Amino acid sequence: SQQGEEDPQALSIQEGENATMNCSYKTSINNLQWYRQNSGRGLVHLILIRSNEREKHSGRLRVTLDTSKKSSSLLITASRAADTASYFCATDESASGGSYIPTFGRGTSLIVHP
Amino acid sequence: DTGVSQNPRHKITKRGQNVTFRCDPISEHNRLYWYRQTLGQGPEFLTYFQNEAQLEKSRLLSDRFSAERPKGSFSTLEIQRTEQGDSAMYLCASSRGQGVLKPFFGQGTRLTVV
Repeated sequence: SQQGEEDPQALSIQEGENATMNCSYKTSINNLQWYRQNSGRGLVHLILIRSNEREKHSGRLRVTLDTSKKSSSLLITASRAADTASYFCATDESASGGSYIPTFGRGTSLIVHP
Repeated sequence: DTGVSQNPRHKITKRGQNVTFRCDPISEHNRLYWYRQTLGQGPEFLTYFQNEAQLEKSRLLSDRFSAERPKGSFSTLEIQRTEQGDSAMYLCASSRGQGVLKPFFGQGTRLTVV
């Protein structure tokens, strides 16, 4: 099952603009993470936000978390062509054996035009 | 820290053949995950090891799939009697056993079944 759902599925912007993508999830979480994936490559961890945090920054990245709405957003400011990639949110979902497993959404495909 | 290593990077096989993939996690990471990712989708959880114990298996992991982590270090994922629907990217990730789950991903093995 896929816990998180990103929105929009695709986003196309010009270099220098900000990019905002959203993630909604279904059950309560301990933390939420955002990953980036360049075409055909593995996933790179960007940022983790805990359930008791509301906002977190890392360089040009800003993540917010609203546990009452079960949603998170990732903002990339002053985007660059090199930011072109797919972005995924992952939440820790309880699996059948009781372990918490990072569970991913379908992702947002971001294209930044130079 | 050399990161998570997966081999091979690409595999093309004929339908009905068996294939085996290998994952070498980051040393001192005792948690290891396998995911499958198809085009346009997020990674889907397959199975999870803590040390050598396989603690979780997804319903996606049919009887044709088997994973091992014999000494709690590297892991193998075998697919028997491959089908065209098995074509996907197979991703391995590892994380520490304490604290917040924060998996680090390998570059993946892309399987094409013809």
